[in-house]
Amino acid sequence: QVQLKESGPGLVQPSQTLSLTCTVSGFSLMDYSVHWVRQPPGKGLEWMGRMKYDGDTYYNSALKSRLSISRDTSKSQVFLKMNSLQTEDTAIYYCTRVEFGAYWFAYWGQGTLVTVSS
Amino acid sequence: DIQMTQSPASLSASLGETVTIQCQASEDIYSGLAWYQQKPGKSPQLLIYGASSLQDGVPSRFSGSGSGTQYSLKISSMQTEDEGVYFCQQGLKYPLTFGSGTKLEIK
Repeated sequence: QVQLKESGPGLVQPSQTLSLTCTVSGFSLMDYSVHWVRQPPGKGLEWMGRMKYDGDTYYNSALKSRLSISRDTSKSQVFLKMNSLQTEDTAIYYCTRVEFGAYWFAYWGQGTLVTVSS
Repeated sequence: DIQMTQSPASLSASLGETVTIQCQASEDIYSGLAWYQQKPGKSPQLLIYGASSLQDGVPSRFSGSGSGTQYSLKISSMQTEDEGVYFCQQGLKYPLTFGSGTKLEIK
């Protein structure tokens, strides 16, 4: 069945770079797009960006200067890197999958909490 | 960016009561709207897409409606397991944007 799982450090120091991995199973990254969404504790959801099935990327303009999404299709992994982290980047980071040609997120990872603190 | 305004921010309902949550977009999103339910400590779960299509496995007491800039999610008979936070999301334009959420509790 379709599964997504995020992994990465739980704690990042201010001004440092965050690196997260989303490992997927049950589908191919060459058939479906994977998005990243984050949620500060107790707050709402923010769409960050996406890796399209054809390798194209698109980012939220609010994060574009700091954000990079890449993938390794042979390992079924999508990577998120965001630099210059600040305390307001403390959030649960989710990777999600959309249906082909759709915009709604039918599958979500469990999320990984990233705390930005010294 | 398309702004999504949800109301109310919170509400409490009795078992069996009908609940309605509203979502307004800052421009016409042509039914490009999804609804999610999130329970504490869990990932959001898709309920409705295309404004009114029920996701597989979601109870039929959930329904979505609306057009243009105004949309709503209705729970026809509130159950204990429906407690949680509900979010709307537009899919017409990037960046994809979400409403701020509605916290639903049992009265």
